[in-house]
Order: sequence, then C-alpha cells, then structure tokens
Amino acid sequence: DAGVIQSPRHEVTEMGQEVTLRCKPISGHNSLFWYRQTMMRGLELLIYFNNNVPIDDSGMPEDRFSAKMPNASFSTLKIQPSEPRDSAVYFCASSSHHSGNTIYFGEGSWLTVV
Amino acid sequence: GESVGLHLPTLSVQEGDNSIINCAYSNSASDYFIWYKQESGKGPQFIIDIRSNMDKRQGQRVTVLLNKTVKHLSLQIAATQPGDSAVYFCADRAGYALNFGKGTSLLVTP
Repeated sequence: DAGVIQSPRHEVTEMGQEVTLRCKPISGHNSLFWYRQTMMRGLELLIYFNNNVPIDDSGMPEDRFSAKMPNASFSTLKIQPSEPRDSAVYFCASSSHHSGNTIYFGEGSWLTVV
Repeated sequence: GESVGLHLPTLSVQEGDNSIINCAYSNSASDYFIWYKQESGKGPQFIIDIRSNMDKRQGQRVTVLLNKTVKHLSLQIAATQPGDSAVYFCADRAGYALNFGKGTSLLVTP
C-alpha cells in the first residue's frame, strides 16, 4: 500500500526564497495534517484539513506560512519568504474515520534555509 | 497549557532484555493514545494504540498500558532487538489532532 507521499525529501534554499512542500495523503483518507519537527520544540501541529477544508490553522507560525488542499489527493505547504529559523522537518500525515482515525505519517521534507 | 511528556529522554538496554518506555499526559479529556517509533531520517511509524476504555493492549512484542488514574502510559517491548533502536513518541488525542511528547531515545546494545 502506498503511504503518505511527500516531496521534496530534502530542500536547501536561500533566505527569502519561496518554498513549496507537497503531500499526497493515503487514498481514501479525509483528514490531513501538516506537522513540523525541530529538536527544540518536537512535533508541532501546523494545520489540519478535513474533507479538503482547513479546520484548524492556529499552529501556523505566521503569515509567511500558508497551506492549501485543492482536492482530496493533494496538499501544499508554502513558506514565503523563507527564513533560517524555518529549517526543520515538515511532516504530512493523514487519517480516516474508517481506519480508526490512526494518523499515518509521510517520510518528511527536510528543509534547510541558509 | 496541557501537554504530554516523557519521564526518560534516553534508555539503553541490552539486546534480548525487555524495554519499558514511560509517558505522562495531562489532558484528562484525552480518549485515545498512540505510540510511534521514529528511526533516523524517517517519519513517525505507528506501533500501537489504545483507547481510554481499555487499560492494556498487546501487539507483536509490544504492550501498551494505560493508567487513567495517574494519567500514565507505558510501552513495553519484549526481547528488545537492535532494530528497535529509535526514538519513541507517545501522543494523546482529545479531538482531531495528536499532541506529542518530546520522545525517548532507545538504544539497544549487543
């Protein structure tokens, strides 16, 4: 079974550049999450979509971050402009009521902003 | 705010021994708990979960215990193997999203 698919796996970009991270949730899952992981803060929820609609974006750090889910099989997390403190691993995860609401994670996008 | 935390940041065990990783949570409204394993360079991988109406659940070589009275969760790994070396996260849920602890690093030595 294909799990949650994220791209790119690794990205190195210069401060001020736009970064777009992509996610394909598990087919049939109707909930999608974006998490950020750092050594200092651990895993933090950034935004939660249900049926393609953003339900909770209170974890989005600031206006430089935005997320979209145009359809059930695709989501993006965009950072514009990027800053060095955005360097982290960004995880996409999905779940479904039919699968017991267990949240399954992708392999992450490792972002370094220099 | 309420959070999930871990008692031990690192745990070193010998191969073949049993491992116990502990976790405390503070949200009394949490109704679902889950353990994840994260290997270096990978995403969190589901291990086992338990709902608040249970106090024990067993999987393959793993057991999760839930004590709601003291808001404590533990993960037991039987006959620990080198492949079990990873960071283990507990998480609780009251609503739709998971609240993660900081993680415990498990190191299995030969």
